[in-house]
Amino acid sequence: QQQVKQSPQSLIVQKGGIPIINCAYENTAFDYFPWYQQFPGKGPALLIAIRPDVSEKKEGRFTISFNKSAKQFSLHIMDSQPGDSATYFCAASNPTGNQFYFGTGTSLTVIP
Amino acid sequence: DTGVSQNPRHKITKRGQNVTFRCDPISEHNRLYWYRQTLGQGPEFLTYFQNEAQLEKSRLLSDRFSAERPKGSFSTLEIQRTEQGDSAMYLCASSMRQGVKHTEAFFGQGTRLTVV
Repeated sequence: QQQVKQSPQSLIVQKGGIPIINCAYENTAFDYFPWYQQFPGKGPALLIAIRPDVSEKKEGRFTISFNKSAKQFSLHIMDSQPGDSATYFCAASNPTGNQFYFGTGTSLTVIP
Repeated sequence: DTGVSQNPRHKITKRGQNVTFRCDPISEHNRLYWYRQTLGQGPEFLTYFQNEAQLEKSRLLSDRFSAERPKGSFSTLEIQRTEQGDSAMYLCASSMRQGVKHTEAFFGQGTRLTVV
């Protein structure tokens, strides 16, 4: 059973566009929601993370929007660049942090 | 380099052989996780350690898999009698737990296992 559902599976945008990746969860005990970026053959790299006490967090060109009542969160990439082409994973964990549940990933392609 | 380090980066083995992977976490991190990732999928939890204690194991961790973290520092993941279905990227991550709070988890580059 997928604890975190992620969409879309793949996304193609033009340079400068704003790709949006969405995730949804069911377990209301989750209290930490990170996003990871992964390039082929590499491990996931932590991009940005949010806790449910805020509705939005911005770091550079990356923004997380969080909707606690809908149990959804999304990643927005402003002014996307070809170097942003990668697979993005959302994840969630509960307060014990004993494991992270990952979405199935979104393959992003930014066309120059 | 103060990140999570995994060795080897790649391993090709014949079916039925045993393999062992090593993970060196970020030095001050007391939590260490092992995940498995197959092509086109997100990482799947295998097990985690708090210091030297293995506190949780996934059902994915069959009896052919064993993980250790002696002295709460580096960790090893051993797969006995490898099967072709074990072919995957094995990822290690570490984080810090202080009281009721835990910090972000940082992943290593992974070990790509191919069983032929």
